[in-house]
Amino acid sequence: ETGVTQTPRHLVMGMTNKKSLKCEQHLGHNAMYWYKQSAKKPLELMFVYNFKEQTENNSVPSRFSPECPNSSHLFLHLHTLQPEDSALYLCASSQGRDYSGDTQYFGPGTRLTVL
Amino acid sequence: KQEVTQIPAALSVPEGENLVLNCSFTDSAIYNLQWFRQDPGKGLTSLLLIQSSQREQTSGRLNASLDKSSGRSTLYIAASQPGDSATYLCAVYGGATNKLIFGTGTLLAVQP
Repeated sequence: ETGVTQTPRHLVMGMTNKKSLKCEQHLGHNAMYWYKQSAKKPLELMFVYNFKEQTENNSVPSRFSPECPNSSHLFLHLHTLQPEDSALYLCASSQGRDYSGDTQYFGPGTRLTVL
Repeated sequence: KQEVTQIPAALSVPEGENLVLNCSFTDSAIYNLQWFRQDPGKGLTSLLLIQSSQREQTSGRLNASLDKSSGRSTLYIAASQPGDSATYLCAVYGGATNKLIFGTGTLLAVQP
């Protein structure tokens, strides 16, 4: 595998389910990001991790819980979601230690549908 | 609050035409500006990154310009091809938010 991978690619879940999204980067980067892309809206930054430490939480509801066990892996744990949380969730990584404006490399995304 | 606007929202052109996509931003104190391409159901691919001190960047048939003082950038695509069909996103980094702020994109369709 190369670049940034995300699993699963598609996920359908009920409002009471608990699920997790996984992201893995094979680029040796130090920063990882979660974004949400809803229809007809700009990409919204959710979380930023640098060297496994969370450095940004963009006022995301607590029903989204990120986890970064190491610099290569990033998870997004989901529980009691709402239908309006249905979106494409994108993971990205960059070389820089912090939000230094380096080019971000994106995964293919997980298309989430909440019923 | 930084806002990024892309015009037009959608564009359809015949193959071979040269075209320009526009991006404007409200806070000119940016660190850099990036153009991305997104194919349906896929993630984003970085096309060009322009630092705030630069005026333009070129890659193949793509040329991006930046006028920081007026808060504008353009992406010029020469001799368009059907394979260029995708959504093109502009994003700025820096300013008061110190985050990467995206526009809503321009959906480009190049007709064979």
